[in-house]
Amino acid sequence: GAVVSQHPSWVICKSGTSVKIECRSLDFQATTMFWYRQFPKQSLMLMATSNEGSKATYEQGVEKDKFLINHASLTLSTLTVTSAHPEDSSFYICSARGLSGANVLTFGAGSRLTVL
Amino acid sequence: AQSVAQPEDQVNVAEGNPLTVKCTYSVSGNPYLFWYVQYPNRGLQFLLKYITGDNLVKGSYGFEAEFNKSQTSFHLKKPSALVSDSALYFCAVRDGFNKFYFGSGTKLNVKP
Repeated sequence: GAVVSQHPSWVICKSGTSVKIECRSLDFQATTMFWYRQFPKQSLMLMATSNEGSKATYEQGVEKDKFLINHASLTLSTLTVTSAHPEDSSFYICSARGLSGANVLTFGAGSRLTVL
Repeated sequence: AQSVAQPEDQVNVAEGNPLTVKCTYSVSGNPYLFWYVQYPNRGLQFLLKYITGDNLVKGSYGFEAEFNKSQTSFHLKKPSALVSDSALYFCAVRDGFNKFYFGSGTKLNVKP
């Protein structure tokens, strides 16, 4: 089945630094990837929709300059949290939809970001 | 706007008993409904979906869900719960732009 790999699983960084999270579709081409943020004991909040070869579409209230998304190929999307602050600490999850799989999203295992 | 509601934060059930996790939805147009499960510090795993057809949908790990249009519900069920079913369950709806919207999640606790 479709597999999405997300890396790193855990990352700890100092306040003010930038962190990059990668999301790869391993056995299918992902035309669209979605980035979610999940706070403890809460649901997933859609941050942005990433389409290969074009600019990401951000949800209302999500800072474009803070959360940089790049989808340069059909198998890779990256989320960069720039100038991270403790309030950016969260669980970030990516998901992907393949060329023929519009009805189901495949999720990565998530990345736990802790900003000190 | 599309939305789903999961009225229960937590469901407790004894192993071997049937379980139900509730979900109601609000959509414009035909509903595309999904259930996902999340284990601690992991991403979401797809369980089942309803797009069209039979109202009773069977999915992974013995789970099933019943689509009820009149009650706008899509409850997740399993005839006999296992301790290993303990996890966080999310109901989701997909809109016409292929965006998924998730409910608040229900924590299922299955006790031996």
